[in-house]
Amino acid sequence: AQSVTQLDSQVPVFEEAPVELRCNYSSSVSVYLFWYVQYPNQGLQLLLKYLSGSTLVKGINGFEAEFNKSQTSFHLRKPSVHISDTAEYFCAVIRAGAGSYQLTFGKGTKLSVIP
Amino acid sequence: KAGVTQTPRYLIKTRGQQVTLSCSPISGHRSVSWYQQTPGQGLQFLFEYFSETQRNKGNFPGRFSGRQFSNSRSEMNVSTLELGDSALYLCASSITGRGDEQYFGPGTRLTVT
Repeated sequence: AQSVTQLDSQVPVFEEAPVELRCNYSSSVSVYLFWYVQYPNQGLQLLLKYLSGSTLVKGINGFEAEFNKSQTSFHLRKPSVHISDTAEYFCAVIRAGAGSYQLTFGKGTKLSVIP
Repeated sequence: KAGVTQTPRYLIKTRGQQVTLSCSPISGHRSVSWYQQTPGQGLQFLFEYFSETQRNKGNFPGRFSGRQFSNSRSEMNVSTLELGDSALYLCASSITGRGDEQYFGPGTRLTVT
């Protein structure tokens, strides 16, 4: 079975500073990788996804992530954060080509942007 | 195009009662998945329905059940509620449920007292 580890439960960062949210996964087979964002009292919104091809993936709101197969990582980055980026971020995987395509989520990282 | 809708948004129930939550997927989406979100366990997969058939099931007791109708709307039912069932229940829909993007609803916040 696959698992996802988000290394930081909380990340405070000053406005306009860069941020990296770390995600590592374990799986014996190929995976699809996702980052979701959850604002308070809302559902999840997809930021970006990696299915295949280029390992650098660009998403919405200026976020990007890089798939590193050798390190089994999929870290999320943004060069300059805004107050509106304050939210909880979830990394998730799906086993590619498997019979079951449910998302397995990490525990989440709460990003707090400080004015 | 309208997004995924879930009703009700908030619910308070007493231990031992049962509850039914509803999810209307995006038009054209045939796969509906349900997730439970709690502070302690995070986001956990409950089950997935496709064309009225349960295709996958997570590791939850039999008190948790669901169904899907011919118009792809889905319901989940929890019987004999326990305090630990208090959670945000999220529904997600996708076209095929085979790794394509899942669109999430706002969730139903269930509180069991």
